[in-house]
Amino acid sequence: KNQVEQSPQSLIILEGKNCTLQCNYTVSPFSNLRWYKQDTGRGPVSLTIMTFSENTKSNGRYTATLDADTKQSSLHITASQLSDSASYICVVIPRSSGGSYIPTFGRGTSLIVHP
Amino acid sequence: GAGVSQSPRYKVAKRGQDVALRCDPISGHVSLFWYQQALGQGPEFLTYFQNEAQLDKSGLPSDRFFAERPEGSVSTLKIQRTQQEDSAVYLCASIPLGAHYGYTFGSGTRLTVV
Repeated sequence: KNQVEQSPQSLIILEGKNCTLQCNYTVSPFSNLRWYKQDTGRGPVSLTIMTFSENTKSNGRYTATLDADTKQSSLHITASQLSDSASYICVVIPRSSGGSYIPTFGRGTSLIVHP
Repeated sequence: GAGVSQSPRYKVAKRGQDVALRCDPISGHVSLFWYQQALGQGPEFLTYFQNEAQLDKSGLPSDRFFAERPEGSVSTLKIQRTQQEDSAVYLCASIPLGAHYGYTFGSGTRLTVV
């Protein structure tokens, strides 16, 4: 079964600090990998999208990296803000000859940023 | 509309009651997905439509769960004889055909079975 494992499960940091979230996956072959931010009570919102040929993608203070050889991705958050408190979910989209791209979701990392 | 709209936002059901959850995708989005998200967990795939055709329903946990999209736009997820383990947030997402980049999620329906 294709799996996406995220670590740590939860993380607490002080405002202004940096942090890195990890994602390991076994989905293969895959089309693209995404990181989503999910605020409490809201649906996930896309932060970054990377194809298997891309190594890094930035979106403001968020930088995602991808190592397709080791099947690992990370999301680095720089100069954290209180509004970064949320769940961060790694999602891998398999490459499907049938045309249906059904994502596999990780369980997410719950990030809390304290003032 | 500008985004994926789900209703109701919150639903409390007595055990054994039937519920219907609605998803209005972005206009023109061909593909529509339903997910179930338990507290503290990532979303779990339930079912997938391309237009009105339900191409994959392998994630539906039991035959009490039924989804439809009769005209290829609005979709309804129905849960019959709800049980406490059905309590979760039910998320809907839509994408244009072939655009495996632009998943847009609704805010979800939080179902609580008491």
